[in-house]
Amino acid sequence: SQKIEQNSEALNIQEGKTATLTCNYTNYSPAYLQWYRQDPGRGPVFLLLIRENEKEKRKERLKVTFDTTLKQSLFHITASQPADSATYLCALTSGTYKYIFGTGTRLKVLA
Amino acid sequence: GAGVSQSPSNKVTEKGKDVELRCDPISGHTALYWYRQSLGQGLEFLIYFQGNSAPDKSGLPSDRFSAERTGGSVSTLTIQRTQQEDSAVYLCASSSLAGLTYEQYFGPGTRLTVT
Repeated sequence: SQKIEQNSEALNIQEGKTATLTCNYTNYSPAYLQWYRQDPGRGPVFLLLIRENEKEKRKERLKVTFDTTLKQSLFHITASQPADSATYLCALTSGTYKYIFGTGTRLKVLA
Repeated sequence: GAGVSQSPSNKVTEKGKDVELRCDPISGHTALYWYRQSLGQGLEFLIYFQGNSAPDKSGLPSDRFSAERTGGSVSTLTIQRTQQEDSAVYLCASSSLAGLTYEQYFGPGTRLTVT
């Protein structure tokens, strides 16, 4: 069955370092992959989308890579700040409206 | 402009009662989703509305769950005869379908607790 895996353990990093979050998937051929940020008690907020034919996408301090051979996406936050602390979700679709979401990885940036 | 709004923000109900959850999408967004998020779980797709097309109800977990969208705008998710396992956060999202990439804008959710 289709499966998306994100590290369920929280990731703690020091302020100023680069945070790297992983999204792995199996039994799936995604056309698009999205990353969302979710703060406690709030709905997810869209951050970035990357297409299957794109290797990398950047937006300010954020960078997403997409490796369809490894079936993996990496999400990087450079020069991390305590305000970046949140849960980050990846979501995939084969090209339709129906996205499958991962369970998210909680990031904590320590001052 | 205004984002997606949901009401109520919190709902506590007794087992066996019916509940209605409301979603106001972003004006002009033709697509609307309902998801359920349980503690430690990913977002579980429930139902999808697109314009006047028949909704995709494939994610509804049982026939106790139903949803409607009136006038292509406001949507209501109804859970009949609630059970304790229905306790979760119910999230609504809307999308403009721009570029067909389905970027979703989420509401704050309704936290449902069934006692």
